Amino acid sequence: AQKITQTQPGMFVQEKEAVTLDCTYDTSDQSYGLFWYKQPSSGEMIFLIYQGSYDEQNATEGRYSLNFQKARKSANLVISASQLGDSAMYFCAMRGRQGGSEKLVFGKGTKLTVNP
Amino acid sequence: DSGVTQTPKHLITATGQRVTLRCSPRSGDLSVYWYQQSLDQGLQFLIQYYNGEERAKGNILERFSAQQFPDLHSELNLSSLELGDSALYFCASSVEVGPGTGELFFGEGSRLTVL
Repeated sequence: AQKITQTQPGMFVQEKEAVTLDCTYDTSDQSYGLFWYKQPSSGEMIFLIYQGSYDEQNATEGRYSLNFQKARKSANLVISASQLGDSAMYFCAMRGRQGGSEKLVFGKGTKLTVNP
Repeated sequence: DSGVTQTPKHLITATGQRVTLRCSPRSGDLSVYWYQQSLDQGLQFLIQYYNGEERAKGNILERFSAQQFPDLHSELNLSSLELGDSALYFCASSVEVGPGTGELFFGEGSRLTVL
């Protein structure tokens, strides 16, 4: 079964500093995708970044980068130059194919607070 | 704006009642997913439809049902509502481009409150 673990319920960071949000996963799939989503207090789920299991290079999207270590089954999100608007819940998710169907499994999330 | 539309945004109803949540996926997306987000359970996958057919089932209660119509919009029906069904219900859509690929685009959610 697929499982996502986010061990940090809450994280604090100073504005303009970098922060790493941890994510480990467990799957027996050979092909899978790893995602990070942001959920601000308004509730919507915003897609941030995607890493495919066969991608050799770490994904980057602006200030977001994904530190993908396949052997360790980790997919940490790095946010550089934090901004006050980055304060939100962050969810790591994995998508793979099992039994001919796919679903996206989410971790419990990490609440990030950016301090001025 | 993700391109996924969910209605209603907010819904307050009483125990024992039935409600229908509606979702219109992004143009061109054939897959629709439903998720339930409650405070104590996080984001729980309920069900997925692909081009009108059920593709995957998660932790969906028997009191809940869903379908995807020929125009690809989807409805989630919740019946015999209980207090514990109060949650944010998300619809998401995606393009299936291969195993594990393709991000899900989420709607803004429907917040259900059962009194």
